[in-house]
Amino acid sequence: DVKVTQSSRYLVKRTGEKVFLECVQDMDHENMFWYRQDPGLGLRLIYFSYDVKMKEKGDIPEGYSVSREKKERFSLILESASTNQTSMYLCASSPLAGEANEQFFGPGTRLTVL
Amino acid sequence: GQNIDQPTEMTATEGAIVQINCTYQTSGFNGLFWYQQHAGEAPTFLSYNVLDGLEEKGRFSSFLSRSKGYSYLLLMELQMKDSASYLCAVRDGDYKLSFGAGTTVTVRA
Repeated sequence: DVKVTQSSRYLVKRTGEKVFLECVQDMDHENMFWYRQDPGLGLRLIYFSYDVKMKEKGDIPEGYSVSREKKERFSLILESASTNQTSMYLCASSPLAGEANEQFFGPGTRLTVL
Repeated sequence: GQNIDQPTEMTATEGAIVQINCTYQTSGFNGLFWYQQHAGEAPTFLSYNVLDGLEEKGRFSSFLSRSKGYSYLLLMELQMKDSASYLCAVRDGDYKLSFGAGTTVTVRA
């Protein structure tokens, strides 16, 4: 079974802090994604990566950056956390080849910025 | 931009059938996905349609009409454990998914 793990289930940070969210997948997937999920808005793509050291902006990249130094690990960085970044953050991975190439999601990190 | 619409909430009785509709207007189309998400948990993959027609998987089926920009997820013989949010997502290129806001289904005894 594909396993996607995230470093924390719950995180509380203060405005202005630098925040790191880590995601690790164990199925050698090429693609990795970071989403945020807010009530009434659904999942929105922040950044994705289709290879090591490669990254592309999603729909809402402002205020975020990412790092992919190793194939299995994809990090989301909030350079200076703000209260409007309080949200559920979901990481996902998918293979490059296959019929559906469905995305497999981690359990999520609920981040609260005070 | 991408526009994916689905109802916010639906309620049904145990043993019944529920149909969740999804309409989409996207810049491209390379498959439509349905995910199930229980409260506080990760979304899990349910189904994938890329060609028109019905895909059946046990109690769940998904239908696609590309010309109408329309899909539905059919949940049959509803069980209490089917109470969850159901997410419709469209892939418009090689990798990216655009999601609808999700439909919360409540199953009552």
